[in-house]
Amino acid sequence: DAMVIQNPRYQVTQFGKPVTLSCSQTLNHNVMYWYQQKSSQAPKLLFHYYDKDFNNEADTPDNFQSRRPNTSFCFLDIRSPGLGDAAMYLCATSRVFEAFFGQGTRLTVV
Amino acid sequence: DQQVKQNSPSLSVQEGRISILNCDYTNSMFDYFLWYKKYPAEGPTFLISISSIKDKNEDGRFTVFLNKSAKHLSLHIVPSQPGDSAVYFCAATRSSNTGKLIFGQGTTLQVKP
Repeated sequence: DAMVIQNPRYQVTQFGKPVTLSCSQTLNHNVMYWYQQKSSQAPKLLFHYYDKDFNNEADTPDNFQSRRPNTSFCFLDIRSPGLGDAAMYLCATSRVFEAFFGQGTRLTVV
Repeated sequence: DQQVKQNSPSLSVQEGRISILNCDYTNSMFDYFLWYKKYPAEGPTFLISISSIKDKNEDGRFTVFLNKSAKHLSLHIVPSQPGDSAVYFCAATRSSNTGKLIFGQGTTLQVKP
């Protein structure tokens, strides 16, 4: 049974058109993360929540925002997607060190 | 500045042989290390981990070795199976850092039948 679920699996959006990616978890973990992974590169942490506390990485563009309305759900909002934002977006959760990942959302910007 | 590096983008081994995947890190504050496996179009799945208080951790066919003085870890898969073909990511974290993982670029392992 999937424990970290990302929707949709594939998302196509227009250049500059806001898009939201969603993630839900059934693990009741207090930490949730969003990673961006581009081809042949390391997954790069964008931000994470420790409970309701939001932690932004210093080099995450302002174009990326996140919301966590409750323990189970977390959203990634890209306000004005550019071509360079095309990537796989990975949501993960953890309680201690080991992170559990969803299947990812492949974002295409046209 | 890449704090976790996997210098071999790819590795090819014969079924039944040993696969050795390497990882180097630069941040001496890292004290917990993990390996993840990723199939195409799926998220990474946890494979094995090691704390900095140990130098070896074994789980079935998978063994991770840690050399703190060299800031180097390796994943050994013995024997390798075709189903092991995937991208392997090394990750590191500080135990004080709520599990925030820093990943290497990954090594694509191909196990040939």
